[in-house]
Amino acid sequence: GAVVSQHPSWVICKSGTSVKIECRSLDFQATTMFWYRQFPKQSLMLMATSNEGSKATYEQGVEKDKFLINHASLTLSTLTVTSAHPEDSSFYICSARDLGGLAGTGELFFGEGSRLTVL
Amino acid sequence: DAKTTQPPSMDCAEGRAANLPCNHSTISGNEYVYWYRQIHSQGPQYIIHGLKNNETNEMASLIITEDRKSSTLILPHATLRDTAVYYCIVPTNAGKSTFGDGTTLTVKP
Repeated sequence: GAVVSQHPSWVICKSGTSVKIECRSLDFQATTMFWYRQFPKQSLMLMATSNEGSKATYEQGVEKDKFLINHASLTLSTLTVTSAHPEDSSFYICSARDLGGLAGTGELFFGEGSRLTVL
Repeated sequence: DAKTTQPPSMDCAEGRAANLPCNHSTISGNEYVYWYRQIHSQGPQYIIHGLKNNETNEMASLIITEDRKSSTLILPHATLRDTAVYYCIVPTNAGKSTFGDGTTLTVKP
């Protein structure tokens, strides 16, 4: 069945560096993907909506210059955490809905998550 | 997207049915109810979804009230591996979802 895959699953970086996380929809196309952030013992918080071929839409309080989103193809969205700091350490999760064509199931898929640790 | 409300925690004895409720009183007519669960340090795992009819799959059953304002996820024979945080969400047609705090289900031996 359709799957959403994230890479890397975990990453450790130094403060001040940038980190890119990829989210891929496998065997379906996704014009829209979503990025969430989850801190320990908390729920998932929607950060932004990634739109293929256009600018991302950010939720209130999420810095667009800090969290750069690129959705250059129908199967790939990337989230870049720029100038990362320890407070950016979190679990980042993406999702996409399979709406494509007659075979589209409408199911909503989540990636496995990417754990970022900023030292 | 519709907000959902769930009890923060529930316990269940191993082998018994676990019934997890969810309120989604602002759900629109064409919005589906989805259930996911999350085990520590993993992404949400899909369980089941439905529109208005009751649904059943190999993992669980979903009972949706006639007015669609609430639903119940049923794990018929809970095992220790079912211990997790369970989320009920009502995504938009595009898939945008607002997560509540979910229900932490603890299955006890």
